[in-house]
Amino acid sequence: GESVGLHLPTLSVQEGDNSIINCAYSNSASDYFIWYKQESGKGPQFIIDIRSNMDKRQGQRVTVLLNKTVKHLSLQIAATQPGDSAVYFCAENTGNNDMRFGAGTRLTVKP
Amino acid sequence: KAGVTQTPRYLIKTRGQQVTLSCSPISGHRSVSWYQQTPGQGLQFLFEYFSETQRNKGNFPGRFSGRQFSNSRSEMNVSTLELGDSALYLCASRTSGYQETQYFGPGTRLLVL
Repeated sequence: GESVGLHLPTLSVQEGDNSIINCAYSNSASDYFIWYKQESGKGPQFIIDIRSNMDKRQGQRVTVLLNKTVKHLSLQIAATQPGDSAVYFCAENTGNNDMRFGAGTRLTVKP
Repeated sequence: KAGVTQTPRYLIKTRGQQVTLSCSPISGHRSVSWYQQTPGQGLQFLFEYFSETQRNKGNFPGRFSGRQFSNSRSEMNVSTLELGDSALYLCASRTSGYQETQYFGPGTRLLVL
């Protein structure tokens, strides 16, 4: 069936390096995508979103790239900091007024 | 603005009991969605309420139900609790449309013994 999935369950990076977290989606009807960050003991926190009429969007230290041709979404974090350590979820709105989440990628930042 | 709040934060119940969880959305938000988060299944959509009506529903049994009040506050009820219902239950709110960001509360951690 159609799903949102993540390529890697864990990612470990050195402090100061850039991080790239990937997400594959298979629902071609999805037209709105969001990245969330979830720290231990907290609910998911909105990071950045992108609509399907765009292929790139930048925020503070974060960039989301959308490739609709291959149904791929990525989150780039520049100059990763220890406070970025968390689980990152991609989510898609499928057009049916519900949101599907990927399994999540755990990002660990080494000092 | 205050964020999404959920009560209680932690709850311990036994099998067969029922439980009611509460969510207060961000002021001005009329849509409230509920999610179940477990290590094995990840984040799964339960249902969404908008203007006191259930607008969308996930694939959960009828033991899971919800409602929304005129002030947009929402409650979720689980009857006849099972061990597998142990999870973090998250509530998220947004203003109205589906192409709008959902903001999550801290969740209610439910443990069923």
